[in-house]
Formats: sequence, C-alpha cells, structure tokens
Amino acid sequence: DGGITQSPKYLFRKEGQNVTLSCEQNLNHDAMYWYRQDPGQGLRLIYYSQIVNDFQKGDIAEGYSVSREKKESFPLTVTSAQKNPTAFYLCASRAGSNQPQHFGDGTRLSIL
Amino acid sequence: GQNIDQPTEMTATEGAIVQINCTYQTSGFNGLFWYQQHAGEAPTFLSYNVLDGLEEKGRFSSFLSRSKGYSYLLLKELQMKDSASYLCAVRSFKAAGNKLTFGGGTRVLVKP
Repeated sequence: DGGITQSPKYLFRKEGQNVTLSCEQNLNHDAMYWYRQDPGQGLRLIYYSQIVNDFQKGDIAEGYSVSREKKESFPLTVTSAQKNPTAFYLCASRAGSNQPQHFGDGTRLSIL
Repeated sequence: GQNIDQPTEMTATEGAIVQINCTYQTSGFNGLFWYQQHAGEAPTFLSYNVLDGLEEKGRFSSFLSRSKGYSYLLLKELQMKDSASYLCAVRSFKAAGNKLTFGGGTRVLVKP
C-alpha cells in the first residue's frame, strides 16, 4: 500500500544529543514537509522540500536540520540547539500543487 | 502574515449537527483545507475549498466565503467516532512551496 511511514513512533533524547526522525513515502510525491505540534496546538512548519536536493526553512527551523537526497526520504534531525524539543512531529507529502497534504502517523519525541 | 482563528472546543450530542467556524486573514488566498485529527494520531484530509460556496461530502460539508475570510465545517448526524480535533488550514499563493498555515484546531466532543 502507498503511504507515508514515520519512525520511530516514540523517541527519547538525552540532553545535548542529536536525534534523527525518519520519514519515507512511496507515493512518488515531490513535495514533503515537517511539522511540529505541541499539546492543544495547531501545526507549525519546520522545513519543507519541493524537490530532491532542495529544501527551505519553515516558520520554526532553528535547532532543526533536514536533507533530501532521495525523493522518497526526508529525515529531520533535532539538534542539541533545540532547547524545547518535546513535541509530536508530523511529516507530510503532497502530489500536485492543488492537492492536499497527507500525513504520516507521527513521532512523539520526549526528553529524558 | 496569516492569522487563523477557530474555537478551541465544542460539545454536541450524538445524532445532532455541529458547525465549526474558521476565520482567516491572509493576502493571496489560494485555498482552505479542513483536517480531522484524533488524539495522538495524524491529521486526515476532509475537504478543500478554493471558490465560494458549499462542498458536500457525505455527512461533512465545508463552506467558504472569500470576501468575508470565513469558512465553516458542518458535521451532520454526529457519531461518537467524530470526537476529534478539526484543523482549518489556509494556503496563500504568496507563500513559497504551497505552504499551509494551520489554526489551533477545534476539539469536538460528542456525547451520547
């Protein structure tokens, strides 16, 4: 089945540690997005990529980094510079420009 | 910038109708999306409006008035499984990458 796979479902980070969240899609979508969601809040855009080997900062990119070496994959690294990383992270992808974004099941990141 | 407002919480009875309003301020409006999100899960796409009027999809309908910067999502014949958060998201053609800006979400509680 086609879809967006995020892993792991739960992730714990120690202070000063970088962690990487995986996002893979087999929908052949060009555009991919990373969002952060805090309890009771809407989604805020971290990074997005419209095409392989290109990505742009979203509204809250500080403390995060991404890569887009393959069309199917858009991993997000939460660096030690992100001082408040505890949140629900959602990856999304989109087909054409008038198509809706479709989301993976999310990764919940917590600090140990 | 963009500003999106929706009520934080609503309660309704099983079998009834609930209307979730969303008001927005944006330049270069290029579409409004509604998503449903159950607690701890990914948002799922419900509807898309880019022209004024009503879009109906089974028990769910969405309305848009561009001149008023206003949309609503109408849920009919409410079922217990409709208890979820409903996210309004706006796209602007002035925003690179077809980015969406999300409201904070409306949590709907359906009571027996």
